[in-house]
Amino acid sequence: KAGVTQTPRYLIKTRGQQVTLSCSPISGHRSVSWYQQTPGQGLQFLFEYFSETQRNKGNFPGRFSGRQFSNSRSEMNVSTLELGDSALYLCASSLAGAERETQYFGPGTRLLVL
Amino acid sequence: DAKTTQPNSMESNEEEPVHLPCNHSTISGTDYIHWYRQLPSQGPEYVIHGLTSNVNNRMASLAIAEDRKSSTLILHRATLRDAAVYYCILSRLGYSGAGSYQLTFGKGTKLSVIP
Repeated sequence: KAGVTQTPRYLIKTRGQQVTLSCSPISGHRSVSWYQQTPGQGLQFLFEYFSETQRNKGNFPGRFSGRQFSNSRSEMNVSTLELGDSALYLCASSLAGAERETQYFGPGTRLLVL
Repeated sequence: DAKTTQPNSMESNEEEPVHLPCNHSTISGTDYIHWYRQLPSQGPEYVIHGLTSNVNNRMASLAIAEDRKSSTLILHRATLRDAAVYYCILSRLGYSGAGSYQLTFGKGTKLSVIP
């Protein structure tokens, strides 16, 4: 089975721009979660989608948004980029997002905001 | 939020066992204990998880204290490929209560393996 894939792997943007990151979960997985990883804050939960619905959201401003498509693929969008948005963005998929399930992480998209 | 406390770093000699401790004194009765690790330049990778009983898999063992306020990840024979940051995590029901559990990562323990 193919693992979680994320595109693009690297991205450079300037302040004020917006960016869209994509995540393809493992086949059959319907839950997709997004995390931001920075040296200062570590790994922080952004949001989780299941069956095209956002079920859970972390403590991030409204500039961070996401969506999930009927094939479970997910995108996250960051508008009006700030320097502090430079980070590794990780997505993880699981069957249904239940507490006992393993989350499988992708390799991440490294975003640099200049 | 239930929090976990781990040492910042640990060292181990290659081919020796490693015991990585984690304190989670505010754990609730339904919180699962998960361990993930992150190798350099990679996304986190699942290691093991448990609720009350000790657990074993091909990668590691998880020893859970009787009161569940602490746990220990045991790597039976450390190899150089085990050098990573190890995260002890309690999965917690999300705000919506709609069956969505999120992983709340702490700082983790950076494990160095000495050849």
